[in-house]
Amino acid sequence: SYVLTQPPSVSVAPGQTARITCGGSNIGSESVHWYQQKPGQAPVLVVYDDSDRPSGIPERFSGSNSGNTATLTISRVEAGDEADFYCQVWDSRSDQGVFGGGTKLTVL
Amino acid sequence: QVQLVESGGGLVKPGGSLRLSCAASGFTFSDSYMSWIRQAPGKGLEWISYISTRGITIYYADSVQGRFTISRDNAKNSLYLDMNSLRAEDTAMYFCARVLGDYFPDWGQGTLVTVSS
Repeated sequence: SYVLTQPPSVSVAPGQTARITCGGSNIGSESVHWYQQKPGQAPVLVVYDDSDRPSGIPERFSGSNSGNTATLTISRVEAGDEADFYCQVWDSRSDQGVFGGGTKLTVL
Repeated sequence: QVQLVESGGGLVKPGGSLRLSCAASGFTFSDSYMSWIRQAPGKGLEWISYISTRGITIYYADSVQGRFTISRDNAKNSLYLDMNSLRAEDTAMYFCARVLGDYFPDWGQGTLVTVSS
């Protein structure tokens, strides 16, 4: 089955830019979606279809996808952005949803 | 607004069974594809099942295929997950989620299933 690989952790100072990667074989040909999950809460969709934002999600959250890597970029990071982030695709070959292992974003 | 409320979780012995429910409101449930997603304690998200609007198309993760059954009752705006032959590794928070395209824009708060003797 399709595998998505994320770094376990990313740290960034407030006001800086955080980049969280999601690796997969030729992932650039897939639609990638990103979720933010804070402790004790359900995940929240922050980017869909590689780079679109749901209503209510700040413009600071953006996404890109090319080759073997998709990236979630969070600009001007705030303390409130600290959370776990997951990438996700739908594997049409196996008809299964696939999540990356998750990345813990720490705001220093 | 969209609301998804899961129920039915609890403590069950290995080999036991449990039925989870998800009550939907705030959107046209009968027009919506739905999924179940779980998260073991301290672990990441795992997609486990998908059902089309009328229940004709159903998919499962390999980890639950043959043990879990997803279903829906559009008249009751409800989604279900019947879980049989439960194992310790099925211990997790179970979320129901609305499907749009191939992503999950709306999630419930989850119901906790603990499999232990």
